Amino acid sequence: ETGVTQTPRHLVMGMTNKKSLKCEQHLGHNAMYWYKQSAKKPLELMFVYSLEERVENNSVPSRFSPECPNSSHLFLHLHTLQPEDSALYLCASSRGQGEAGVYGYTFGSGTRLTVV
Amino acid sequence: AQSVTQLGSHVSVSEGALVLLRCNYSSSVPPYLFWYVQYPNQGLQLLLKYTTGATLVKGINGFEAEFKKSETSFHLTKPSAHMSDAAEYFCAVRPNDYKLSFGAGTTVTVRA
Repeated sequence: ETGVTQTPRHLVMGMTNKKSLKCEQHLGHNAMYWYKQSAKKPLELMFVYSLEERVENNSVPSRFSPECPNSSHLFLHLHTLQPEDSALYLCASSRGQGEAGVYGYTFGSGTRLTVV
Repeated sequence: AQSVTQLGSHVSVSEGALVLLRCNYSSSVPPYLFWYVQYPNQGLQLLLKYTTGATLVKGINGFEAEFKKSETSFHLTKPSAHMSDAAEYFCAVRPNDYKLSFGAGTTVTVRA
């Protein structure tokens, strides 16, 4: 148990489907992150939320839509994805803006997404 | 700006041999440095970190790393590799704000 829970662990979806990834943490952290991890590529930071406000969007296509309803939950809504979006999507949390650099992140186990 | 370079995308060691993973960083501020490990189909788990103080940092699973400011390095070592050490390892450096910048990762395989 890492303290950050991601569901589902695996997801297969068609290009016309709509699905959502869920991330939940009860560590009292104030910042949450979505990363994309593709084979043979570095970790790509997608979105950052601090105190439920989106503070960073790294030029992510609009077919990915994040939502942070409270400091414990983070969603990634997916629609009309492409096969190249197949990857491991990792959620992470940290103690908050400015403190991530001291304490680091806590990661979830990820959702393995396959787009067919 | 901060960046991390991990030398060698793949390292193969014999069981019982020394594990050495190299990490060099660039940082315009005093760095906070991290090593994470990722086992297959899992998220990243913190191995150890350097913030301030002693430059030799001990982590979990027998790993340690030494911060060398003059060499801008934070190499990860373990004296004796175990089969369970087979995983991918990521070095990361603190940015100015709330992000970590990760290296590209080094995959470790352990030969029996």
